[in-house]
Parts: sequence; structure tokens; C-alpha cells
Amino acid sequence: AQTVTQSQPEMSVQEAETVTLSCTYDTSENNYYLFWYKQPPSRQMILVIRQEAYKQQNATENRFSVNFQKAAKSFSLKISDSQLGDTAMYFCAFMMYSGGGADGLTFGKGTHLIIQP
Amino acid sequence: DTGVSQNPRHKITKRGQNVTFRCDPISEHNRLYWYRQTLGQGPEFLTYFQNEAQLEKSRLLSDRFSAERPKGSFSTLEIQRTEQGDSAMYLCASSLRDRVMDGYTFGSGTRLTVV
Repeated sequence: AQTVTQSQPEMSVQEAETVTLSCTYDTSENNYYLFWYKQPPSRQMILVIRQEAYKQQNATENRFSVNFQKAAKSFSLKISDSQLGDTAMYFCAFMMYSGGGADGLTFGKGTHLIIQP
Repeated sequence: DTGVSQNPRHKITKRGQNVTFRCDPISEHNRLYWYRQTLGQGPEFLTYFQNEAQLEKSRLLSDRFSAERPKGSFSTLEIQRTEQGDSAMYLCASSLRDRVMDGYTFGSGTRLTVV
């Protein structure tokens, strides 16, 4: 079974600063997908960024980028130039490649990110 | 398409009552998933459908939980004889079978409170 660990229950930074959220996972699989989801207060969960394990290049989406270290089983999220609207719960998630994702997403417990004005 | 829709948004029920939640996925998505999220935790996978077939249900929390997707469109999740421990947010998500690597589209959830 796969596990996802997010060791930072809560983080707080000033607006415009850069913040990094950590995520580690445990799997014996070689091919898989990793995701970061954002869940704003009382709103639906939305996908922030994703990474295929077979790709060495780190994914980037505008102000969001990841540092994927496959050997270390680490998948951190960096948010640059943080904005007030980035305040949310952030979940790291894992999906096995085999079975076409039939085992669903495995989520970590989340990090509550607060952006201070 | 307005995304994944879940109804009701909130449900308060007395212990022992049955409840049913509805999920309307994105119309072209053939996969539909149900998750439970308790306070302070990440979502926990319950079950999923590919079209009308329920392909994984071993992770439903007990035999009081059941789900259907009769025509491969909307889905319902039913909890019989509710217990206080069933209080949680129930999330629905959908995706295309061939594009699961793009992640899921989630609904806003149904928050269940059992009193």
C-alpha cells in the first residue's frame, strides 16, 4: 500500500514571499503520478500541478513548481510570489500507473497554508 | 458544463437514519469516484465506477455504505443506519478513463452531520 506524508500541518508566510510545502511518499512502484491539490475554505478541491514519475524534469505551472526527487521519494511544492488567494489546504496525492489509476488517489493529511497581508 | 455537482451541500441527520447523496459528474467523464474526508485528514478513497460498473468497492467503510451509478451518468452514495462516526465531508470526483493522469475534477462535497 502506498502512503503519503505531509509533515507540515500549517505554514504561514507574508504575501509575495516564496514558500515550499513538503511531501514524501512510500511505494514499491516505479511508475506513478504525483499531484498537488488546493482546497480553499468551503470550496472544491482543484488541481495545482502534476508530475509523471518517469519524467526527470520538474513540472512548472506559472508561480507553482515542484522539486521531484524520485530516489528520495520526495515531492515538494514551491509557490513563488505568494498571493492572498493562495490561502488554502494543500494536499499531496499519489496515483499508481498500473491498473490505469484503479486504486484511486492516495492523499496526505494536508498542509494549511496561510498567506498574511 | 458546470463541473462536478453534488447535492445536498449539507445534511444533518439523526443517528440511525438513512441518507443518500447525489453526484453529477462532468458529462463526458466515464469514471466517477467517491471519497470521504474527515476533519484534519486528507480524502480517503471509497469506491469508483467506470460507466455503470462499480469496479472497486472493497474500501467502502462498512456494509452500511453502498453506491450506484445506474445509467453511467449520475451516482448516489447511501449510508444506512448512520452513526456519529459517519460525520464527514463526502466528495465526488470524475475523470476520463484514458486521462486519469490529468487528475480528477472534484465536486464541492456534501457535509454530513450525524446528531
